Amino acid sequence: QKEVEQNSGPLSVPEGAIASLNCTYSDRGSQSFFWYRQYSGKSPELIMSIYSNGDKEDGRFTAQLNKASQYVSLLIRDSQPSDSATYLCAVNKGGANSKLTFGKGITLSVRP
Amino acid sequence: DAGVIQSPRHEVTEMGQEVTLRCKPISGHNSLFWYRQTMMRGLELLIYFNNNVPIDDSGMPEDRFSAKMPNASFSTLKIQPSEPRDSAVYFCASSFPDQPQHFGDGTRLSIL
Repeated sequence: QKEVEQNSGPLSVPEGAIASLNCTYSDRGSQSFFWYRQYSGKSPELIMSIYSNGDKEDGRFTAQLNKASQYVSLLIRDSQPSDSATYLCAVNKGGANSKLTFGKGITLSVRP
Repeated sequence: DAGVIQSPRHEVTEMGQEVTLRCKPISGHNSLFWYRQTMMRGLELLIYFNNNVPIDDSGMPEDRFSAKMPNASFSTLKIQPSEPRDSAVYFCASSFPDQPQHFGDGTRLSIL
């Protein structure tokens, strides 16, 4: 099993719809969870972080974490064409010498 | 605030040549990470440093790859000799421990 797995894409949604991006992870000891957005030819950019079970909202973005199910998701409400990008899920085990493990990403396309 | 600064932005060189990639982390960050990104393998962690000390280099593909961090504001990733399969985008990222990582713009490396 891969350490961080994202469902295969690409994902295409119409403008204004809700885009749902999912991620599972294998290490139950994981402490911190992040979503990065990467536009084509650009570097990954942090858009959301979540550390405890439940939902965390920031504007049109909502991150959801369920540690029991080892599942983290990102919802994008009122999707815009500018949201078209690759979204990377990243998981950190925590601790003094921790590191991020990234999923392979899912490409989202928002159709005007 | 200056972000993570990488140089060069693009590098094209012939197989067998030595390649040196450079990174200046965000001032104050004491963790530094080198990643490689390809379409096939996604974003892979090569090596990371805490307080200038290499912590985990298990992602370094071969002895041809080496990385140094002589001080808190500078790191290099060297490939010698380079091979066509090393062609990728190489990212440097920095952070405080257990905090989200911030990425540089990357170096797009092409080995002919």
